[in-house]
Amino acid sequence: EAQVTQNPRYLITVTGKKLTVTCSQNMNHEYMSWYRQDPGLGLRQIYYSMNVEVTDKGDVPEGYKVSRKEKRNFPLILESPSPNQTSLYFCASSLSTGTASSYEQYFGPGTRLTVT
Amino acid sequence: DQQVKQNSPSLSVQEGRISILNCDYTNSMFDYFLWYKKYPAEGPTFLISISSIKDKNEDGRFTVFLNKSAKHLSLHIVPSQPGDSAVYFCAASSYNTDKLIFGTGTRLQVFP
Repeated sequence: EAQVTQNPRYLITVTGKKLTVTCSQNMNHEYMSWYRQDPGLGLRQIYYSMNVEVTDKGDVPEGYKVSRKEKRNFPLILESPSPNQTSLYFCASSLSTGTASSYEQYFGPGTRLTVT
Repeated sequence: DQQVKQNSPSLSVQEGRISILNCDYTNSMFDYFLWYKKYPAEGPTFLISISSIKDKNEDGRFTVFLNKSAKHLSLHIVPSQPGDSAVYFCAASSYNTDKLIFGTGTRLQVFP
């Protein structure tokens, strides 16, 4: 089954404790992205990657890191989480960039993060 | 600055009637528009899209209309069904970027 998986689905942590949210897709997609969803703000892009070893900042990258060492995986790293990073996070992937189909992104189920 | 706006946070429609969800955008460079649907505890799923060279795209009960001069698009669902109850996001992009810009979402409730 074609899918994007994220782990963990729920996470409660404390300020300053480093954490990683994993994302994996099994569709051989080139493009992967991380979003956060907050009430009244919709989905905002954090980072994206057009292929292995190619990453770029989205609209809200502060406080986050990413890496793309393998095509299927795109982990999101919070080196020193703060309460304003409490949010619902989604990983997404799509076939490629530069074509209409690249915007039809497949989303993971989401990770709800709470930082106290 | 919100480039893609959904000014109605919620909409309630009776089963069988038409649901109309609206979206406005400010960036005239956008040339591709999409609608996503999101159920609770799930990620958004792609619903329908439209290129700026068209003014209408239809897929079953779902039709998206694009008015470029007004920078406005709408999603029509006819007839509405209880299973359509979800949050709907519109999104926009342009071919020279690698980003999707999402609106804030509209929660649709279809009641019997």
